[in-house]
Amino acid sequence: SAVISQKPSRDICQRGTSLTIQCQVDSQVTMMFWYRQQPGQSLTLIATANQGSEATYESGFVIDKFPISRPNLTFSTLTVSNMSPEDSSIYLCSVDVAGVTGELFFGEGSRLTVL
Amino acid sequence: SQQGEEDPQALSIQEGENATMNCSYKTSINNLQWYRQNSGRGLVHLILIRSNEREKHSGRLRVTLDTSKKSSSLLITASRAADTASYFCAVAWGGGYQKVTFGTGTKLQVIP
Repeated sequence: SAVISQKPSRDICQRGTSLTIQCQVDSQVTMMFWYRQQPGQSLTLIATANQGSEATYESGFVIDKFPISRPNLTFSTLTVSNMSPEDSSIYLCSVDVAGVTGELFFGEGSRLTVL
Repeated sequence: SQQGEEDPQALSIQEGENATMNCSYKTSINNLQWYRQNSGRGLVHLILIRSNEREKHSGRLRVTLDTSKKSSSLLITASRAADTASYFCAVAWGGGYQKVTFGTGTKLQVIP
Protein backbone atom coordinates (compact mmCIF):
# COMPACT_ATOMS: atom_id res chain seq x y z
CA SER A 1 0.00 0.00 0.00
CA ALA A 2 0.95 3.65 -0.04
CA VAL A 3 0.00 6.81 1.79
CA ILE A 4 -0.40 9.76 -0.52
CA SER A 5 -0.65 13.36 0.64
CA GLN A 6 -1.99 16.07 -1.62
CA LYS A 7 -1.87 19.80 -1.09
CA PRO A 8 -3.93 21.90 -1.22
CA SER A 9 -7.02 19.90 -0.35
CA ARG A 10 -9.18 22.64 -1.78
CA ASP A 11 -8.82 26.12 -3.18
CA ILE A 12 -10.83 28.85 -4.78
CA CYS A 13 -9.01 30.53 -7.65
CA GLN A 14 -9.56 33.46 -9.93
CA ARG A 15 -9.87 33.07 -13.68
CA GLY A 16 -6.55 33.44 -15.46
CA THR A 17 -4.37 32.40 -12.55
CA SER A 18 -2.38 29.19 -12.12
CA LEU A 19 -2.25 26.76 -9.23
CA THR A 20 0.23 24.03 -8.41
CA ILE A 21 -0.89 20.87 -6.68
CA GLN A 22 1.65 18.82 -4.77
CA CYS A 23 1.62 15.05 -4.31
CA GLN A 24 3.86 13.31 -1.78
CA VAL A 25 4.09 9.51 -1.47
CA ASP A 26 5.46 7.68 1.56
CA SER A 27 7.40 5.20 -0.59
CA GLN A 28 9.36 5.25 -3.83
CA VAL A 29 7.23 4.59 -6.89
CA THR A 30 8.05 4.52 -10.54
CA MET A 31 4.80 5.77 -11.98
CA MET A 32 2.55 8.51 -10.71
CA PHE A 33 -0.73 9.34 -12.37
CA TRP A 34 -2.78 12.52 -12.38
CA TYR A 35 -6.53 12.28 -12.85
CA ARG A 36 -9.25 14.90 -13.16
CA GLN A 37 -12.80 14.40 -11.92
CA GLN A 38 -15.22 17.03 -13.09
CA PRO A 39 -18.34 17.61 -10.99
CA GLY A 40 -20.54 14.52 -10.93
CA GLN A 41 -18.33 12.73 -13.45
CA SER A 42 -15.90 9.86 -13.55
CA LEU A 43 -12.12 10.10 -13.48
CA THR A 44 -10.16 11.02 -16.58
CA LEU A 45 -6.44 10.39 -16.82
CA ILE A 46 -4.51 13.60 -17.50
CA ALA A 47 -0.98 12.27 -17.65
CA THR A 48 1.51 9.73 -16.39
CA ALA A 49 4.60 11.07 -14.62
CA ASN A 50 7.74 8.96 -14.67
CA GLN A 51 10.73 10.13 -12.69
CA GLY A 52 13.50 11.47 -14.87
CA SER A 53 11.49 11.87 -18.04
CA GLU A 54 8.80 14.05 -19.52
CA ALA A 55 5.24 13.27 -18.51
CA THR A 56 3.07 11.43 -21.01
CA TYR A 57 -0.20 13.25 -21.67
CA GLU A 58 -3.51 11.74 -22.69
CA SER A 59 -5.53 12.95 -25.62
CA GLY A 60 -7.12 16.29 -24.86
CA PHE A 61 -4.50 17.34 -22.30
CA VAL A 62 -1.40 19.38 -23.15
CA ILE A 63 1.76 20.28 -21.30
CA ASP A 64 1.22 24.03 -21.60
CA LYS A 65 -2.06 23.76 -19.72
CA PHE A 66 -1.05 21.05 -17.24
CA PRO A 67 2.73 21.11 -16.70
CA ILE A 68 3.93 18.30 -14.47
CA SER A 69 7.15 17.89 -12.54
CA ARG A 70 8.56 14.65 -11.14
CA PRO A 71 11.83 15.52 -9.46
CA ASN A 72 12.19 12.26 -7.50
CA LEU A 73 10.53 8.92 -6.79
CA THR A 74 8.25 10.22 -4.02
CA PHE A 75 7.03 13.59 -5.27
CA SER A 76 5.19 15.18 -8.17
CA THR A 77 3.41 18.42 -8.94
CA LEU A 78 0.63 19.27 -11.35
CA THR A 79 0.04 22.88 -12.34
CA VAL A 80 -3.28 24.00 -13.76
CA SER A 81 -2.42 27.04 -15.85
CA ASN A 82 -4.47 30.02 -16.94
CA MET A 83 -7.53 28.63 -15.22
CA SER A 84 -11.09 29.05 -16.38
CA PRO A 85 -14.33 27.94 -14.67
CA GLU A 86 -14.24 24.77 -16.81
CA ASP A 87 -11.15 23.71 -14.85
CA SER A 88 -13.20 23.46 -11.66
CA SER A 89 -12.67 19.83 -10.71
CA ILE A 90 -11.13 17.46 -8.25
CA TYR A 91 -7.55 16.65 -9.24
CA LEU A 92 -6.29 13.32 -7.95
CA CYS A 93 -2.80 11.95 -7.69
CA SER A 94 -2.40 8.19 -7.73
CA VAL A 95 0.34 5.58 -7.76
CA ASP A 96 0.68 1.96 -8.74
CA VAL A 97 2.90 0.66 -5.95
CA ALA A 98 3.46 -2.75 -7.46
CA GLY A 99 4.11 -1.21 -10.84
CA VAL A 100 2.58 -4.06 -12.76
CA THR A 101 -1.02 -4.62 -11.72
CA GLY A 102 -2.63 -1.25 -12.19
CA GLU A 103 -3.94 -1.34 -8.62
CA LEU A 104 -3.97 2.33 -7.74
CA PHE A 105 -3.68 4.15 -4.46
CA PHE A 106 -5.11 7.65 -4.41
CA GLY A 107 -4.55 10.85 -2.55
CA GLU A 108 -7.55 12.61 -1.07
CA GLY A 109 -7.72 14.92 -4.05
CA SER A 110 -7.52 18.67 -4.54
CA ARG A 111 -10.88 20.33 -5.13
CA LEU A 112 -10.42 23.46 -7.24
CA THR A 113 -13.13 26.03 -7.83
CA VAL A 114 -12.40 28.67 -10.45
CA LEU A 115 -14.47 31.85 -10.34
CA SER B 1 -12.07 4.53 -25.37
CA GLN B 2 -11.84 1.76 -22.82
CA GLN B 3 -14.10 3.57 -20.41
CA GLY B 4 -16.52 1.26 -18.69
CA GLU B 5 -20.21 1.89 -18.59
CA GLU B 6 -21.88 1.18 -15.31
CA ASP B 7 -25.45 0.58 -14.41
CA PRO B 8 -27.41 1.56 -12.62
CA GLN B 9 -26.21 5.16 -12.35
CA ALA B 10 -27.86 5.36 -8.96
CA LEU B 11 -29.15 2.75 -6.54
CA SER B 12 -31.08 3.18 -3.32
CA ILE B 13 -31.62 0.21 -1.00
CA GLN B 14 -32.50 -0.53 2.59
CA GLU B 15 -29.86 -1.54 5.08
CA GLY B 16 -29.42 -5.32 5.07
CA GLU B 17 -30.31 -5.73 1.40
CA ASN B 18 -27.82 -6.70 -1.26
CA ALA B 19 -26.58 -4.21 -3.85
CA THR B 20 -25.52 -5.22 -7.35
CA MET B 21 -23.69 -2.98 -9.78
CA ASN B 22 -22.73 -3.85 -13.32
CA CYS B 23 -19.90 -2.72 -15.54
CA SER B 24 -19.30 -3.22 -19.25
CA TYR B 25 -16.16 -2.39 -21.17
CA LYS B 26 -14.97 -2.40 -24.73
CA THR B 27 -11.81 -4.33 -25.52
CA SER B 28 -9.17 -6.61 -24.05
CA ILE B 29 -8.15 -6.03 -20.48
CA ASN B 30 -5.48 -7.29 -18.10
CA ASN B 31 -7.63 -6.95 -15.04
CA LEU B 32 -10.73 -5.21 -13.76
CA GLN B 33 -10.95 -3.38 -10.47
CA TRP B 34 -13.59 -1.80 -8.31
CA TYR B 35 -13.08 1.38 -6.31
CA ARG B 36 -15.15 3.28 -3.81
CA GLN B 37 -15.35 7.05 -3.39
CA ASN B 38 -16.94 8.81 -0.45
CA SER B 39 -18.31 12.29 -1.12
CA GLY B 40 -15.82 13.45 -3.75
CA ARG B 41 -12.78 12.36 -1.76
CA GLY B 42 -9.98 10.05 -2.87
CA LEU B 43 -10.76 6.61 -4.20
CA VAL B 44 -10.20 3.44 -2.23
CA HIS B 45 -9.32 0.22 -4.01
CA LEU B 46 -11.76 -2.57 -3.15
CA ILE B 47 -10.92 -5.60 -5.24
CA LEU B 48 -9.07 -6.67 -8.38
CA ILE B 49 -10.00 -9.57 -10.64
CA ARG B 50 -7.63 -10.78 -13.32
CA SER B 51 -8.76 -11.49 -16.86
CA ASN B 52 -8.35 -15.23 -16.34
CA GLU B 53 -10.49 -15.26 -13.19
CA ARG B 54 -14.25 -15.54 -13.14
CA GLU B 55 -15.17 -14.78 -9.55
CA LYS B 56 -13.55 -13.30 -6.50
CA HIS B 57 -14.64 -12.64 -2.92
CA SER B 58 -13.46 -10.21 -0.31
CA GLY B 59 -15.51 -9.96 2.86
CA ARG B 60 -19.01 -8.83 1.85
CA LEU B 61 -17.89 -8.17 -1.72
CA ARG B 62 -18.29 -10.57 -4.60
CA VAL B 63 -17.02 -9.72 -8.06
CA THR B 64 -17.65 -11.66 -11.25
CA LEU B 65 -16.00 -11.20 -14.61
CA ASP B 66 -17.24 -12.46 -17.97
CA THR B 67 -14.62 -11.63 -20.57
CA SER B 68 -16.74 -13.08 -23.39
CA LYS B 69 -19.42 -10.50 -22.62
CA LYS B 70 -16.91 -7.87 -21.50
CA SER B 71 -18.81 -7.33 -18.31
CA SER B 72 -18.38 -7.48 -14.57
CA SER B 73 -20.61 -7.19 -11.55
CA LEU B 74 -20.01 -6.14 -7.98
CA LEU B 75 -22.27 -7.53 -5.28
CA ILE B 76 -22.27 -6.05 -1.81
CA THR B 77 -24.13 -8.33 0.59
CA ALA B 78 -25.90 -7.29 3.78
CA SER B 79 -25.39 -3.60 3.03
CA ARG B 80 -24.80 -1.04 5.75
CA ALA B 81 -25.42 2.69 5.88
CA ALA B 82 -21.63 3.13 5.82
CA ASP B 83 -21.56 1.55 2.34
CA THR B 84 -23.19 4.71 0.97
CA ALA B 85 -20.70 5.96 -1.64
CA SER B 86 -19.97 6.04 -5.35
CA TYR B 87 -18.53 2.85 -6.81
CA PHE B 88 -16.38 2.81 -9.94
CA CYS B 89 -15.17 -0.04 -12.05
CA ALA B 90 -11.80 0.42 -13.71
CA VAL B 91 -10.03 -1.59 -16.36
CA ALA B 92 -6.28 -2.03 -16.60
CA TRP B 93 -5.05 -2.54 -20.13
CA GLY B 94 -2.08 -2.19 -22.40
CA GLY B 95 1.40 -3.62 -22.53
CA GLY B 96 4.20 -2.42 -20.30
CA TYR B 97 2.86 -0.37 -17.42
CA GLN B 98 -0.84 -0.64 -16.86
CA LYS B 99 -3.08 2.16 -18.00
CA VAL B 100 -6.24 2.34 -15.89
CA THR B 101 -9.49 3.74 -17.23
CA PHE B 102 -12.50 4.35 -15.02
CA GLY B 103 -16.17 3.69 -15.62
CA THR B 104 -19.00 6.11 -15.18
CA GLY B 105 -19.78 5.07 -11.60
CA THR B 106 -22.79 3.99 -9.56
CA LYS B 107 -24.01 6.12 -6.70
CA LEU B 108 -25.22 3.83 -3.92
CA GLN B 109 -27.39 5.02 -1.08
CA VAL B 110 -28.09 2.64 1.79
CA ILE B 111 -30.99 3.78 3.92
CA PRO B 112 -30.76 2.89 7.62
